[in-house]
Amino acid sequence: GNSVTQMEGPVTLSEEAFLTINCTYTATGYPSLFWYVQYPGEGLQLLLKATKADDKGSNKGFEATYRKETTSFHLEKGSVQVSDSAVYFCALKHAGTYKYIFGTGTRLKVLA
Amino acid sequence: DGGITQSPKYLFRKEGQNVTLSCEQNLNHDAMYWYRQDPGQGLRLIYYSQIVNDFQKGDIAEGYSVSREKKESFPLTVTSAQKNPTAFYLCASRREGDTQYFGPGTRLTVL
Repeated sequence: GNSVTQMEGPVTLSEEAFLTINCTYTATGYPSLFWYVQYPGEGLQLLLKATKADDKGSNKGFEATYRKETTSFHLEKGSVQVSDSAVYFCALKHAGTYKYIFGTGTRLKVLA
Repeated sequence: DGGITQSPKYLFRKEGQNVTLSCEQNLNHDAMYWYRQDPGQGLRLIYYSQIVNDFQKGDIAEGYSVSREKKESFPLTVTSAQKNPTAFYLCASRREGDTQYFGPGTRLTVL
């Protein structure tokens, strides 16, 4: 069945460090892929998405590229800030279906 | 402002009680969802509704019920049959296409 696997956290970085959060998926066909961010005590916010192979989603300095050959959608940011501290969720959805499959989330802590 | 509102933000329930969590959206979205979030876990789907007066069970529907009488509203009732209801509950809606939008969540605690 479909699944999403994320690296376990917490990931702890110093401000201005480079960030990578790994996400790999198992799915048939070409699902849409998403990264959501959750700040403490809040709901999830869409960070970026990609709908087909080789697409790159980007927002607020974050990027992720849809890699069909490695079934991956790793999240990257060149220079993190303390305000980026949150939990990040990778997710997938097939077109024409209702269900989203979420990873377990990766907590990011950025230290000043 | 358009968006999704959930109320209350915090809810306390005594054992044996039913409680209802509110979810309202003014985004004119057809599809709405309820998820449960537990510490260290991803989101698990409780119920889903594609249109008014229609809804389907998700992966963990036991002990929960919903209604969808209006497009804007999708309330979730946590019944006494749900043995471990303490969790963070998230409502979401989806426009045409793939993107889901989430509400701020309700934290339910059983006393």
